[in-house]
Amino acid sequence: QQQVKQSPQSLIVQKGGISIINCAYENTAFDYFPWYQQFPGKGPALLIAIRPDVSEKKEGRFTISFNKSAKQFSLHIMDSQPGDSATYFCAARGGGSNYKLTFGKGTLLTVNP
Amino acid sequence: DAGVTQSPTHLIKTRGQQVTLRCSPKSGHDTVSWYQQALGQGPQFIFQYYEEEERQRGNFPDRFSGHQFPNYSSELNVNALLLGDSALYLCASSLEAGREAFFGQGTRLTVV
Repeated sequence: QQQVKQSPQSLIVQKGGISIINCAYENTAFDYFPWYQQFPGKGPALLIAIRPDVSEKKEGRFTISFNKSAKQFSLHIMDSQPGDSATYFCAARGGGSNYKLTFGKGTLLTVNP
Repeated sequence: DAGVTQSPTHLIKTRGQQVTLRCSPKSGHDTVSWYQQALGQGPQFIFQYYEEEERQRGNFPDRFSGHQFPNYSSELNVNALLLGDSALYLCASSLEAGREAFFGQGTRLTVV
């Protein structure tokens, strides 16, 4: 049972453009929503994260938008660069004494120069 | 400040064998979680260790077991390996009270 649905599966963006990746969840007990960036052959690197009592968080070119009522959240990458080409995963933490992260299936982002 | 380190980087085992993977958490972290990442998929939670005890377990068979040492480092053991166990095994460390989890580079296990 997939509890975090991520889309699109792949995304091609031109350099300087905006990349948008979306995730949806069903479990309202989730209490923390991180995004990870993973390059081939490497482990996931924490990019940015948000808690459900906040609607938006920005760090540099990366912004998370969070819609609690719709149970959706998204990652926006502004001024996308070829170095941003990687697989991006959204995740959700279980909440309370449920510590596990549930991941989406990932989005392969390609930024063309 | 060293991040999460895992060893070995790559490993090839034969079906039916046993394997042990190792993880040293980020400095100051006391909680270690293990994840399995199949090719083209997101990581799947195996279990989490805190205070040398398995605190939470995902949907994995008993062939998967672990240990946490007093210095917070951890091992993942897999017995009776199956071809389907071939994956990238990731260790993540965090503070017990914190939410941020930092991953190591992973161990690529191939079962032949």
